[in-house]
Amino acid sequence: GESVGLHLPTLSVQEGDNSIINCAYSNSASDYFIWYKQESGKGPQFIIDIRSNMDKRQGQRVTVLLNKTVKHLSLQIAATQPGDSAVYFCAEKGTGNQFYFGTGTSLTVIP
Amino acid sequence: NAGVTQTPKFQVLKTGQSMTLQCAQDMNHEYMSWYRQDPGMGLRLIHYSVGAGITDQGEVPNGYNVSRSTTEDFPLRLLSAAPSQTSVYFCASRAGGSPGPGNTIYFGEGSWLTVV
Repeated sequence: GESVGLHLPTLSVQEGDNSIINCAYSNSASDYFIWYKQESGKGPQFIIDIRSNMDKRQGQRVTVLLNKTVKHLSLQIAATQPGDSAVYFCAEKGTGNQFYFGTGTSLTVIP
Repeated sequence: NAGVTQTPKFQVLKTGQSMTLQCAQDMNHEYMSWYRQDPGMGLRLIHYSVGAGITDQGEVPNGYNVSRSTTEDFPLRLLSAAPSQTSVYFCASRAGGSPGPGNTIYFGEGSWLTVV
């Protein structure tokens, strides 16, 4: 089955800096990916998604990059703010429209 | 917009007790699902439903039952609680058809369950 991994379990950044959170996936046939933000004690919140026919997609202060050659997904957060402190995880659509979720990277923003 | 609503938020059960976690969505979504989240692991699918009257098992269905009598509601029942079912449970929903931009998964706020 699919497995979704993250490169680093924790990430600390200075307020105002850019953050990059990475994710590796295993199924080269996966065609849809999602990034979620999860604050302590809350449910996963949709941030941004991307189809496999795209390499890059931008939202408000966030950009998702997809490298299908190495099966790698990244989330870039511009001008990181204290409110961005949370766990971020990626999701990969596998076979049968089922999703597989990564374990998450905990982002801490240092004021 | 309420979105996906889960109750209760917190629950403590004794081993062997049964209970139901409630989930309701007001987005007229066809697809609903239950996940559990455990430390060091990604969300794992317990059961899902593609529409009223239709349910199916996910990755970790043992010890859980579901039903889908209406489009809005998708309760998860623990038949005889075990300590291994201590976890955080999330209900999710999305519209029917193939998932993609504009048809993504939305989660509830979670139910924290402890089985002692």
